[in-house]
Amino acid sequence: DIQMTQSPSSVSASVGDRVIITCRASRDIRSWLAWYQQIPGKAPKLLIYAASILQSGVPSRFSGSGSGTDFTLTISNLQPEDFATYYCQQADSFPRTFGRGTKVEIK
Amino acid sequence: QVQLQQWGAGLLKPSETLSLTCAVFGGSFSGYYWTWIRQFPGKGLEWIGEIHHSGGTNYNPSLKSRVTMSVDTSKKQFSLRLTSVTAADTAIYFCTRVPNIEARPCDYWDQGTLVTVSS
Repeated sequence: DIQMTQSPSSVSASVGDRVIITCRASRDIRSWLAWYQQIPGKAPKLLIYAASILQSGVPSRFSGSGSGTDFTLTISNLQPEDFATYYCQQADSFPRTFGRGTKVEIK
Repeated sequence: QVQLQQWGAGLLKPSETLSLTCAVFGGSFSGYYWTWIRQFPGKGLEWIGEIHHSGGTNYNPSLKSRVTMSVDTSKKQFSLRLTSVTAADTAIYFCTRVPNIEARPCDYWDQGTLVTVSS
């Protein structure tokens, strides 16, 4: 299975900050990476797929980049509703696998 | 607006069979993959498997001997069976939709069902 390693596991930030989350795959996954946001008590929500394509309806302050094994999710101008846990997931091979998550907390 | 809604038993005893069904509202059933994903109490996410509307499946090898997925296209429903459950299968189970594009993201999720396995 492909292992997905996210860092950091948690980050404290303030409204208006820029936050960068990284995800590393244990082998080349081309651009087949998705990012999800999960608010406590809710299902994960798709933010970005194919590494950099913004899902319809997702604010443009979210952006993704990377290919191969190294990927980043950037949240610019952090808003109160962005405090949540973020997961990466590879869709290059089976079984699909997820990172362990990055919790974005209020500083 | 696409909505997924699932149902099934939320409390099982060890060795019993987990059975969940997910219905699709407000969108097409054909042309998509339909997946099951679970989230453990420690928050880790595990992909259980997927089924195409035509019935083709891909299962997680770690669960393959215990998992069966099926579809009922006439009802726009798909189902999960997991046999011989143990406490390690306690998790929130989600059903999701996956468009048939190479990126294969999970673009719609249901609200999830907590399944607890306890004697």
